Amino acid sequence: AQTVTQSQPEMSVQEAETVTLSCTYDTSESDYYLFWYKQPPSRQMILVIRQEAYKQQNATENRFSVNFQKAAKSFSLKISDSQLGDAAMYFCAYRSAQGAQKLVFGQGTRLTINP
Amino acid sequence: GAVVSQHPSRVICKSGTSVKIECRSLDFQATTMFWYRQFPKKSLMLMATSNEGSKATYEQGVEKDKFLINHASLTLSTLTVTSAHPEDSSFYICSARWASGSHEQYFGPGTRLTVT
Repeated sequence: AQTVTQSQPEMSVQEAETVTLSCTYDTSESDYYLFWYKQPPSRQMILVIRQEAYKQQNATENRFSVNFQKAAKSFSLKISDSQLGDAAMYFCAYRSAQGAQKLVFGQGTRLTINP
Repeated sequence: GAVVSQHPSRVICKSGTSVKIECRSLDFQATTMFWYRQFPKKSLMLMATSNEGSKATYEQGVEKDKFLINHASLTLSTLTVTSAHPEDSSFYICSARWASGSHEQYFGPGTRLTVT
């Protein structure tokens, strides 16, 4: 079974600075998707960014980018120019490209933005 | 983007009663819906996967007779917590997807259940 590990329960960063959240995963599959989700205090899950395993190029969405290292099974999220609205729980998630395609979530990282 | 709603957003019920939570895809047809449970300050735990018109597939350790899931149409799935107990108090989140492949899961806003 696939597992996702986020080793940083909490992180903090100064507003306008850059922060990187770590995520590692374990799988024997070659075709899959990786995601970062944001869960603000409202608890609505929001998709931040998605990476297809077959793509070598790292995904980027405005201030959010990933460092996808397939061989190392690492998928970190970099947030540039951090804003107060970025404060939230961040979950890394894995989804197989085959079968039921269930999302497997990491434990989450709580990100605090210091003004 | 695709919108998923849940109703109610909050519910309080007494021990021994049943409570139903609805999950609706508002602007797309959801072939698959997922139900998650989230404990305070914890991650999302998948409870079950439901496909329209067929029986739900439950994750290991989830009691199917306690958590009844019905996905009768392409826009509605329901989760019924039967004979609720205080330990069933939690935050329940649904998500919906309209096709296999790369299409995303869209999450509902969640339902907070408190059993007294």
